[in-house]
Amino acid sequence: EIVLTQSPGTLSLSPGERATLSCRASQSLSSSYLAWYQQKPGQAPRLLIYGASSRATGIPDRFSGSGSGTDFTLTISRLEPEDFAVYYCQRYGSSRWTFGQGTKVEIK
Amino acid sequence: EVQLVESGGGLVKPGGSLRLSCAASGFTFSSYTMNWVRQAPGKGLEWVSSITSTSSYIYYADSVKGRFTISRDYVKNSLYLQMNNLRAEDTAVYYCAREDIIIIPGADFYYVMDVWGQGTTVTVSS
Repeated sequence: EIVLTQSPGTLSLSPGERATLSCRASQSLSSSYLAWYQQKPGQAPRLLIYGASSRATGIPDRFSGSGSGTDFTLTISRLEPEDFAVYYCQRYGSSRWTFGQGTKVEIK
Repeated sequence: EVQLVESGGGLVKPGGSLRLSCAASGFTFSSYTMNWVRQAPGKGLEWVSSITSTSSYIYYADSVKGRFTISRDYVKNSLYLQMNNLRAEDTAVYYCAREDIIIIPGADFYYVMDVWGQGTTVTVSS
């Protein structure tokens, strides 16, 4: 079973700064099946990135994804106030879904 | 408007049962695989179960296998999760989520959960 480990657990940044979130898989996986979600308090998750690097419909271009194999990255180029939230990476495989434990991006 | 609305959550004693519902609207329900995902208080997301568009294939996380049953009703456009023998560790917000496959011609295809409900809260406590 592939495990996704996200780091850091919490990222404290100021609006306008760049955020770099990591998702590491315990085994190499196809980038086609790696996605990123954003979740704000009291809300359901929202799809941000699919296929490791493609933005979902309506997602601003300050969000970008990259990576392959076991190392994947979500980058927010300039943090807006509405970007402070928890971010999860997710993997689809063998008809099952796996989530990372999440990275909280908080206001410094 | 594409929408998923969960219901049926509540407080139940350990060993008890509960049935969650998820009403779908705004899309062709019968064309999509559907999922349940849960989130324990202050914790991350955990996939629980999925059912394919025709109900031909059903999958469960090991943590719920043998206790939970997923099903769907194509007349009511609804997804269900029957939860039996509930444990304290089943306490969570339960989300239903639509699974979609994004197909890029000449490239690849990608699995996503693109539509989520607002969640329903299940609390297992004596």
